[in-house]
Amino acid sequence: GAVVSQHPSRVICKSGTSVKIECRSLDFQATTMFWYRQFPKQSLMLMATSNEGSKATYEQGVEKDKFLINHASLTLSTLTVTSAHPEDSSFYICSGGRLQETQYFGPGTRLLVL
Amino acid sequence: GDSVTQMEGPVTLSEEAFLTINCTYTATGYPSLFWYVQYPGEGLQLLLKATKADDKGSNKGFEATYRKETTSFHLEKGSVQVSDSAVYFCASRGFQKLVFGTGTRLLVSP
Repeated sequence: GAVVSQHPSRVICKSGTSVKIECRSLDFQATTMFWYRQFPKQSLMLMATSNEGSKATYEQGVEKDKFLINHASLTLSTLTVTSAHPEDSSFYICSGGRLQETQYFGPGTRLLVL
Repeated sequence: GDSVTQMEGPVTLSEEAFLTINCTYTATGYPSLFWYVQYPGEGLQLLLKATKADDKGSNKGFEATYRKETTSFHLEKGSVQVSDSAVYFCASRGFQKLVFGTGTRLLVSP
């Protein structure tokens, strides 16, 4: 099946710094990528949807200036958490695919903000 | 908005036991329904799906039937293995977005 990678798998940063998470589709072209956040023992919450070459669409309540998403190519999307704070600590998961087709998920990135 | 409700875990079973994980959904229209599995340290993998009422998705001995009348998509397996231990997510998709349930952890002991 199709493979999506995420880098880094785990990151620890200081409060106030910015962190970039990469999501790559390794063997297919993802016209659409999704970014999710997963809290412990909770479901995946969709943060934003990005289509290659256009601005991301953010879900209600997600600060677009804080969670910057770039989908510059059909195989790469990045999520940058700007001015991170401890409450941003979470598990971030991306997925990629084509509209109305199966989404393939990355293994996730665990962010810890101290 | 759309939502998915699945049973809380963990579900603890002995090897070769029968498994049911309940899932119900609310949606406008007729969503596609999915079960995803997340093994420890890995990303979510699609386990099975159904795109219309009465469809049955199946894979690796797991089955789920799209029941429009009860808005359900319960996951079943006749005989679980230790290797089935994982977290299982039920999900629905309307036009574009996947909406997930909270996940159910399955623990299978030898």
